[in-house]
Amino acid sequence: EVQLVQSGAEVKKPGESLRISCKVSGYNFTTSWVGWVRQVPGKGLEYLGIIYPGDSETTYSPSFQGQVTISADKSTGTTYLQWSSLRASDTAIYFCARRNTFLALAFDRWGQGTLVIVSS
Amino acid sequence: SYELTQPLSVSVSLGQTARITCEGYNIGSKNVHWYQQKAGQAPLLVIYWDTYRPSGIPARFSGSKSGNTATLTVSRPQAGDEADYYCQLWDTSTGVFGGGTKLTVL
Repeated sequence: EVQLVQSGAEVKKPGESLRISCKVSGYNFTTSWVGWVRQVPGKGLEYLGIIYPGDSETTYSPSFQGQVTISADKSTGTTYLQWSSLRASDTAIYFCARRNTFLALAFDRWGQGTLVIVSS
Repeated sequence: SYELTQPLSVSVSLGQTARITCEGYNIGSKNVHWYQQKAGQAPLLVIYWDTYRPSGIPARFSGSKSGNTATLTVSRPQAGDEADYYCQLWDTSTGVFGGGTKLTVL
């Protein structure tokens, strides 16, 4: 069974760094792109970027380029989303999702989401 | 940047048909996907490549596209279909989501 399991909720202060994770199982991690999507509470879905774990090729939405960093560890089947200096506006739920080439690049499996709260 | 426009809300009575639209420039040349998101849950893919249903998605969900508009149709929606629905596509390697539509079943 394909699963994407994300790390737990985080509460951080502005200016702090953070890395959240998404561990996949049930398929070959290195051959499918994994994307990250943000959802501010009560708002819609926003695309952040995507990584190909096979060679760590990464692309970002122009809106989030430079704001976050996406990485992957092939040895553990995990992809990461990290911030070097959080802002209150980063408060949101973050989802990882597998992009499926055979389904015309749709996100066919999603993690459960990680809530990040940034507050002083 | 590319934008997808959806109505904020759609209401439908039991037994009727709900249609949720997604407008975007030259959308006819792109593959449109639809996701259902119930309160407190992760999104669920319900339509991919404009018209195809993933396994396990009921046949009452269907997709179509015409001109600059893609449409998700829910035939005879059930109370359990109340959710937010998002369209999504890829524009020059960047993912784009519509703003989402809240479907209410009366």
